Amino acid sequence: QVQLVQSGAEVKKPGASVKVSCKASGYTFTSYDINWVRQATGQGLEWMGWMNPNSGNTGYAQKFQGRVTITRNTSISTAYMELSSLRSEDTAVYYCARGQYSSGWYLDPWGQGTLVTVSS
Amino acid sequence: SYELTQPPSVSVSPGQTARITCSGDALPKQYAYWYQQKPGQAPVLVIYKDSERPSGIPERFSGSSSGTTVTLTISGVQAEDEADYYCQSADSSGTYNLVFGTGTKVTVL
Repeated sequence: QVQLVQSGAEVKKPGASVKVSCKASGYTFTSYDINWVRQATGQGLEWMGWMNPNSGNTGYAQKFQGRVTITRNTSISTAYMELSSLRSEDTAVYYCARGQYSSGWYLDPWGQGTLVTVSS
Repeated sequence: SYELTQPPSVSVSPGQTARITCSGDALPKQYAYWYQQKPGQAPVLVIYKDSERPSGIPERFSGSSSGTTVTLTISGVQAEDEADYYCQSADSSGTYNLVFGTGTKVTVL
């Protein structure tokens, strides 16, 4: 079955960077986009950006421009999201999700989430 | 920036009908998608293209659209439907720039 499995929880200091991985299985990795979404504790979902694993093309939400980078390694069907210059407000669960298009973009399925804690 | 507005909470008794609205100026031009999120779990798609139901989603989940508002309806609510629900769409430009609604907590009394 289609599955996205993310890397484990991370604890980082303010100013550092974090890189979260997302390994895809059960489908052709290069045939679907990968998106990243985050959720602070008790808060809503916030879309960060997308990547086309075939071309490597990316797009980022304006809020994260310059601070987020989404990459991939097609040989191991894995996407990565790196967020730099971390601050306490970046403490959240980060999800990857497969992007699909049917007269509009939507996300299905999602990874299990990775908790990133930013604390001094 | 573009916003999708949902009521913070909806309460419903078992067997009754829950309706969750999502309002946004671009919704007449862009489809809406709905996700269910239970505590400690990742979101799950329950409705796509305003009213289509993915395989495996119970028939009690349905969606509709009217003007700038889309609605997720859960008919015959069950205790297991207690969760947060989020709508998602795109702004009127149609570019690959996803927006989520503010989220609605459904409580089964």
